[in-house]
Amino acid sequence: GQNIDQPTEMTATEGAIVQINCTYQTSGFNGLFWYQQHAGEAPTFLSYNVLDGLEEKGRFSSFLSRSKGYSYLLLKELQMKDSASYLCAVRDGLLETGANNLFFGTGTRLTVIP
Amino acid sequence: DAGITQSPRHKVTETGTPVTLRCHQTENHRYMYWYRQDPGHGLRLIHYSYGVKDTDKGEVSDGYSVSRSKTEDFLLTLESATSSQTSVYFCAISENRDRGHEQYFGPGTRLTVT
Repeated sequence: GQNIDQPTEMTATEGAIVQINCTYQTSGFNGLFWYQQHAGEAPTFLSYNVLDGLEEKGRFSSFLSRSKGYSYLLLKELQMKDSASYLCAVRDGLLETGANNLFFGTGTRLTVIP
Repeated sequence: DAGITQSPRHKVTETGTPVTLRCHQTENHRYMYWYRQDPGHGLRLIHYSYGVKDTDKGEVSDGYSVSRSKTEDFLLTLESATSSQTSVYFCAISENRDRGHEQYFGPGTRLTVT
């Protein structure tokens, strides 16, 4: 089966740096995604990793280690608007039809405090 | 933002009644997906489509059916709604010509079955 683990909740201070971890055990691997989801809204795409290493995009960075089944999302210079849930999703592979076969973690609810 | 709309945005219905949710896209993406999101669970795939009239089951397809008669529209039907189908339903689209084949989500439909 597929298993994707993230911490349920985290709290961090405005202006600080926070790291949200994701570990996974899946039958296959073809990429890892991070999404941001504000309460009552749709998930929005943040980052994609398929090779080991760090991908940086502004204040957000995402890291992947395939051998360890591990990823993290790093948020720098936290702002109040970063309070949201962060979803880790692993693509087990592409289906025969070419569609995505994504498995999502339950999400990490981040609260940014002044 | 990807052009994805869902209707209705909120619905309350009674057990045993049929319900149809609509997803409409203006991006001309090939792949469309229906997910449900429940507390304590990650997003779970219900059904997906890989082209007009081409659909397949996802992880939690029991009690649901789908149809896609046009590229832009993907319908999800609950033939006889049950309380266990109370959830938030998200439609997503993707196109494998994109770098990561990432999915973009619609705003969601909150369905309550009483």
